[in-house]
Amino acid sequence: DTGVSQDPRHKITKRGQNVTFRCDPISEHNRLYWYRQTLGQGPEFLTYFQNEAQLEKSRLLSDRFSAERPKGSFSTLEIQRTEQGDSAMYLCASSLNSGGSGYGYTFGSGTRLTVV
Amino acid sequence: AQSVAQPEDQVNVAEGNPLTVKCTYSVSGNPYLFWYVQYPNRGLQFLLKYITGDNLVKGSYGFEAEFNKSQTSFHLKKPSALVSDSALYFCAVLYTNAGKSTFGDGTTLTVKP
Repeated sequence: DTGVSQDPRHKITKRGQNVTFRCDPISEHNRLYWYRQTLGQGPEFLTYFQNEAQLEKSRLLSDRFSAERPKGSFSTLEIQRTEQGDSAMYLCASSLNSGGSGYGYTFGSGTRLTVV
Repeated sequence: AQSVAQPEDQVNVAEGNPLTVKCTYSVSGNPYLFWYVQYPNRGLQFLLKYITGDNLVKGSYGFEAEFNKSQTSFHLKKPSALVSDSALYFCAVLYTNAGKSTFGDGTTLTVKP
């Protein structure tokens, strides 16, 4: 296993366009998380899955954001009608259960979104 | 609500000197506490965690952290800093009844030769 993979690494899009990001977690991990990170801030929680079930979604997440994890494997995060304020690094992480019994979260390298 | 604070945006130390990166957390249930490190253009990497037991926990690259329940702190330490320790460090808290970890805003550690 090569860790958590995110694709693409960088995405530049025009305001109003839709974008979709993909995350492939560690195969043994049943939990998958999406976080957003902006300059000078720590990772901000967006949503998480346990297997294929989306268990929590941040109240900060508008209706333009949607995430899926079909079959409990890879996950996609879609942003519709992008706005300049969506520009950020989108991080995916996975863990075995809550991460407390193992080595916490394993993070991918992130997808950097720039909305112009 | 769970929260964590890192009061210092930046910490500067000379190589060979001891370093401390501070973290405090809000009290709500039983916290699991973590430190992660982020190098430029890399994802966050797990350093160490406190779950229960000995208040002093040891992790990767010679780092250790001390859990202090009365002060609600979990400071990251290293006896002798290396230039290669220069990076962005994040403290995170996970409560057993919550589903996800909450991260601090990070502290940039710079170790000068």
